[in-house]
Amino acid sequence: SQKIEQNSEALNIQEGKTATLTCNYTNYSPAYLQWYRQDPGRGPVFLLLIRENEKEKRKERLKVTFDTTLKQSLFHITASQPADSATYLCALDPEYGNKLVFGAGTILRVKS
Amino acid sequence: NAGVMQNPRHLVRRRGQEARLRCSPMKGHSHVYWYRQLPEEGLKFMVYLQKENIIDESGMPKERFSAEFPKEGPSILRIQQVVRGDSAAYFCASSPEGLRQGTQYFGPGTRLLVL
Repeated sequence: SQKIEQNSEALNIQEGKTATLTCNYTNYSPAYLQWYRQDPGRGPVFLLLIRENEKEKRKERLKVTFDTTLKQSLFHITASQPADSATYLCALDPEYGNKLVFGAGTILRVKS
Repeated sequence: NAGVMQNPRHLVRRRGQEARLRCSPMKGHSHVYWYRQLPEEGLKFMVYLQKENIIDESGMPKERFSAEFPKEGPSILRIQQVVRGDSAAYFCASSPEGLRQGTQYFGPGTRLLVL
């Protein structure tokens, strides 16, 4: 069956460290994968999109990798800050244009 | 440039009543998507619409749920005869050209509580 999985346990890290979140998928062949941030009581906010022919994408303190062989994407936040605390969602488009399939999200808590 | 707007933000209904959720996409966006998020679960796709057309409703329950995106006005997600299991956050997203060309932008959601 098709699945997209993220770490179900919350990730607790110290301010200044690098946070690494994992997204694994099975039985999909996505052309791209996206990462979103969601704060409590709010809608998801788009962060980064990485295409299947891209190994890595960066935006300020954010970095995403995409390994189509391992069927995995890693999301990194360097020099993390308490304001980075949120739920991070990965999503992929399984049918080239009609919808996104989301993982359940990983809660990140950055402590000062 | 205003973002995606949804109203109401919170909606309380009793079992058997109807719920109407509205979504105004970002200016210039003609593609609208509805998702549902249950507690502790990820967002689940419900329906994808373009102006006056339903493109993909594969995630929509067959009964009691309907969606429209008229030529003028907001997109509406309608739930008839609500049941407690319909309690969830409903998010609308919009995009200018469909997902193949880019991403989608989400609204703040409508939190539906069925008593």
